[in-house]
Amino acid sequence: AQKITQTQPGMFVQEKEAVTLDCTYDTSDPSYGLFWYKQPSSGEMIFLIYQGSYDQQNATEGRYSLNFQKARKSANLVISASQLGDSAMYFCAMKEGGSNYKLTFGKGTLLTVNP
Amino acid sequence: DAGVIQSPRHEVTEMGQEVTLRCKPISGHDYLFWYRQTMMRGLELLIYFNNNVPIDDSGMPEDRFSAKMPNASFSTLKIQPSEPRDSAVYFCASSPRGQGNQPQHFGDGTRLSIL
Repeated sequence: AQKITQTQPGMFVQEKEAVTLDCTYDTSDPSYGLFWYKQPSSGEMIFLIYQGSYDQQNATEGRYSLNFQKARKSANLVISASQLGDSAMYFCAMKEGGSNYKLTFGKGTLLTVNP
Repeated sequence: DAGVIQSPRHEVTEMGQEVTLRCKPISGHDYLFWYRQTMMRGLELLIYFNNNVPIDDSGMPEDRFSAKMPNASFSTLKIQPSEPRDSAVYFCASSPRGQGNQPQHFGDGTRLSIL
């Protein structure tokens, strides 16, 4: 079974609008962390936001926020006020366990922001 | 501050040749990771080190692949002999020791083409 599922291969959004990228995960470990990365066409991987399984509040970083629904095992990334530069691949990743540093990545979602 | 530095950025070589990819992690980071990214398989963890010691190499595809970390500021990933199916983007990443919320910081990757 896949540990990280990103069901949207591609998404389109108009500039200045908000967009939600879906991520569901599968783990039986009560301690885990969820990360989102951005990969522009230039290829580098850029860390965006982190959510821990014990965090009481949804994580926010500037225009990025994480809609964390623990019971549903979902950690959707919300980008507000989309910009043309947000066009990229977005990857959700999970780390399981307190002392485990391995990340498992989803297949990614390609976001295109239209002017 | 300098990020993770990988070299070369691009490598094109013929099947059967030895390939060496290099990585300099961020100073002070205890963990170093090697990933491979392909269209078919996505982003896969190959191996990771803690304080220069390999911790998990279960992702290394076969004996043709080897990785070393002789000191805290340098790691190599070698493929010998190389095959066309090894063509991919190889990323190195590093992270500090922490509570598990520390993101991995990626290098720009090496785009490897085996002819």
